[in-house]
Amino acid sequence: DSGVTQTPKHLITATGQRVTLRCSPRSGDLSVYWYQQSLDQGLQFLIQYYNGEERAKGNILERFSAQQFPDLHSELNLSSLELGDSALYFCASSVDKGGSETQYFGPGTRLLVL
Amino acid sequence: AQSVTQLGSHVSVSEGALVLLRCNYSSSVPPYLFWYVQYPNQGLQLLLKYTSAATLVKGINGFEAEFKKSETSFHLTKPSAHMSDAAEYFCAVGSGGYQKVTFGTGTKLQVIP
Repeated sequence: DSGVTQTPKHLITATGQRVTLRCSPRSGDLSVYWYQQSLDQGLQFLIQYYNGEERAKGNILERFSAQQFPDLHSELNLSSLELGDSALYFCASSVDKGGSETQYFGPGTRLLVL
Repeated sequence: AQSVTQLGSHVSVSEGALVLLRCNYSSSVPPYLFWYVQYPNQGLQLLLKYTSAATLVKGINGFEAEFKKSETSFHLTKPSAHMSDAAEYFCAVGSGGYQKVTFGTGTKLQVIP
């Protein structure tokens, strides 16, 4: 158990809908990272938050947004969903801004868009 | 720009044999390099990382990787494969830590008893 939790574990929804994925980092970790793993695109970095502020942005679509709350949990919002958004979404956390300390991953949320 | 090439989408080794998973990178700046492992139906786990300190990096579960700038390589090795090493391994390159990393396409390691 990495200490990073993600909810829900599975999500099935329809095209055009909006969903919210939640991530709780390990206790004391200030950074949260979001990643997408799909058959078409492979693994991709989406976005990083550090202590409530956006720190780095990767291949995140404009239909997607994220935020980190004062209690350091993070939410990834996916809207106007398309079939191609079906993927495994991971979050990870680390205590620092990235690279010096170990990064820990949650079990992922599997999203299926029908 | 940065990219990663993992040679071999599938690698099979016998239990007890050397594990060698190849990774070549391209980066316009001094790279941060990572190896991650994903066990079947599980999340990712960081195996090891190179952040411009020692070129030989030791990770968890007996794995290590050597940064070779002249060859732009960061191959992952383990002297003796164990059945529990069967998983998919991803190499990744970044310019400044875990953020904005680019992942390779992954190598599935099969360990044959």
